[in-house]
Amino acid sequence: GNSVTQMEGPVTLSEEAFLTINCTYTATGYPSLFWYVQYPGEGLQLLLKATKADDKGSNKGFEATYRKETTSFHLEKGSVQVSDSAVYFCALSILTGGGNKLTFGTGTQLKVEL
Amino acid sequence: EPEVTQTPSHQVTQMGQEVILRCVPISNHLYFYWYRQILGQKVEFLVSFYNNEISEKSEIFDDQFSVERPDGSNFTLKIRSTKLEDSAMYFCASQQGANQPQHFGDGTRLSIL
Repeated sequence: GNSVTQMEGPVTLSEEAFLTINCTYTATGYPSLFWYVQYPGEGLQLLLKATKADDKGSNKGFEATYRKETTSFHLEKGSVQVSDSAVYFCALSILTGGGNKLTFGTGTQLKVEL
Repeated sequence: EPEVTQTPSHQVTQMGQEVILRCVPISNHLYFYWYRQILGQKVEFLVSFYNNEISEKSEIFDDQFSVERPDGSNFTLKIRSTKLEDSAMYFCASQQGANQPQHFGDGTRLSIL
């Protein structure tokens, strides 16, 4: 079956530090890969996506590259801000006739301190 | 920007009672989903709905669960006889096309007493 593994949290960083959150996946077929972010008390928001190997998704200073050879989709940001504090979910989907359900990782909580 | 809206934001129900969670997807979207997130755990897929029928469901989605799109705008999840373990945050999502991103609502927190 399909699964997503991401690094355990919480991750605590100082403002302006470099962020990496690791994500690896197993999938049958050719998945699309996503990072979703969940701010406290809110729903899931799509942060970025990549639909094929070597694609790089980027948004709000965050980046992730779809690496088929290592089955990874690590999230990076060069300089985090306090406002980036949230839970980050890596997810995959595979297109079927009736849509494409998302399979999520366990989520990684990021805390950014001044 | 159009949003997926879910009501209520918090539902408290006695065990064994029926509960209906409501979602209004984005108007031109065609694919609809329910997910749930038990406190501290991962977000889990429950069911997908397309062309007025269930297209896929997970093992969690047993006979106690049902979904409906009664009027072309609302998308509801019904739990017929709630159990303590149904306590979770339930998220609705909609999608314009099969290759488009899913847009999530803010969720309904369901607490079973």
